[in-house]
Amino acid sequence: GEDVEQSLFLSVREGDSSVINCTYTDSSSTYLYWYKQEPGAGLQLLTYIFSNMDMKQDQRLTVLLNKKDKHLSLRIADTQTGDSAIYFCAECSYNTDKLIFGTGTRLQVFP
Amino acid sequence: EADIYQTPRYLVIGTGKKITLECSQTMGHDKMYWYQQDPGMELHLIHYSYGVNSTEKGDLSSESTVSRIRTEHFPLTLESARPSHTSQYLCASSHRENQPQHFGDGTRLSIL
Repeated sequence: GEDVEQSLFLSVREGDSSVINCTYTDSSSTYLYWYKQEPGAGLQLLTYIFSNMDMKQDQRLTVLLNKKDKHLSLRIADTQTGDSAIYFCAECSYNTDKLIFGTGTRLQVFP
Repeated sequence: EADIYQTPRYLVIGTGKKITLECSQTMGHDKMYWYQQDPGMELHLIHYSYGVNSTEKGDLSSESTVSRIRTEHFPLTLESARPSHTSQYLCASSHRENQPQHFGDGTRLSIL
């Protein structure tokens, strides 16, 4: 079945760039999403990319998609302490129209 | 900005009680979803609905039930709460196929 994997932790210094990686298995994925979850809160949609795109940029966020390797990344430029959260990658399967979430990457930003 | 609301935000209640978690959205979305999430862990789909009078079970087996009598409302019910039901429950909605899901703030449920 479909599977989405992420590394569990990432620690960066304030002002540096953060890169969060994600791999998925479903080649029929239509959209791929990045969500942010702060402690005790729901998921906030950050950005998403259609599967026929290679890159999408939105202010400090850059999403790169390598469809051949089924690899998705989220780059956060000039990372701030307010960016500390758990980041979930999710794919939408064309076959089931359901979102499959990764395990989440906990980003910690230190001064 | 998405408008999807969940109540209560927090609930601590004893074993055996009947519980209803409320979820409402004002966007006219046809599709609605319930996820279960243990703290800091991945999300598991437990129920979804593609429209009024449509409900389906998700990938994770759950003793909860749902109903969809109105487009904007998708409540989740536990007939007899148990400590194993302690978790965070997240509701989401989307407009149509392959569109982003927008999430509520969740209900953190603790069963004593």
